[in-house]
Amino acid sequence: GAVVSQHPSWVICKSGTSVKIECRSLDFQATTMFWYRQFPKQSLMLMATSNEGSKATYEQGVEKDKFLINHASLTLSTLTVTSAHPEDSSFYICSARDWGGAEQFFGPGTRLTVL
Amino acid sequence: DQQVKQNSPSLSVQEGRISILNCDYTNSMFDYFLWYKKYPAEGPTFLISISSIKDKNEDGRFTVFLNKSAKHLSLHIVPSQPGDSAVYFCAATPRNYGQNFVFGPGTRLSVLP
Repeated sequence: GAVVSQHPSWVICKSGTSVKIECRSLDFQATTMFWYRQFPKQSLMLMATSNEGSKATYEQGVEKDKFLINHASLTLSTLTVTSAHPEDSSFYICSARDWGGAEQFFGPGTRLTVL
Repeated sequence: DQQVKQNSPSLSVQEGRISILNCDYTNSMFDYFLWYKKYPAEGPTFLISISSIKDKNEDGRFTVFLNKSAKHLSLHIVPSQPGDSAVYFCAATPRNYGQNFVFGPGTRLSVLP
């Protein structure tokens, strides 16, 4: 149980385009989902926290207009990287937590490469 | 200001021996601690956790020890296997589970055959 999927697993796009990444909890209802970013050989950096049905809370330094997060249902959250630039190239990972749970279950990650 | 520290970026251990990964934290509000394992190009997978009311939690080959007064925890893997080679992240969160996890920078473990 407690499976989280992400789609796509990798994406290559041109500079200036927008990319949408989906995060789904497959066998539980995720009241809270988190989006992380990981640069090579670095730790997971929390970008934002989203609770179902409400606006996401962004960490300091993360542009909310650039990284649009939607958590419209208890099993789906999306991260849209708008007007992507090469510096946005990274590994994006989502995680999900159900109501009352402490543990986060991570998706497999999405590798974004912006040319 | 790093609230969760893993001072060893890498560790090499011979197969069959014990691997000890260390983690220190500074925030006394942290009450629940977790270890995650991560292979390249994959998401982290949960390994083991410990609540502050305990000082030890064991699950098979994995044991986590917590020294709350020293704000220190460690993950022991015995015996180490080549498949354990991965990056291990320590994470901490306050008892209020609405709070986010704070991750350490990770330790890359290499288990040599």
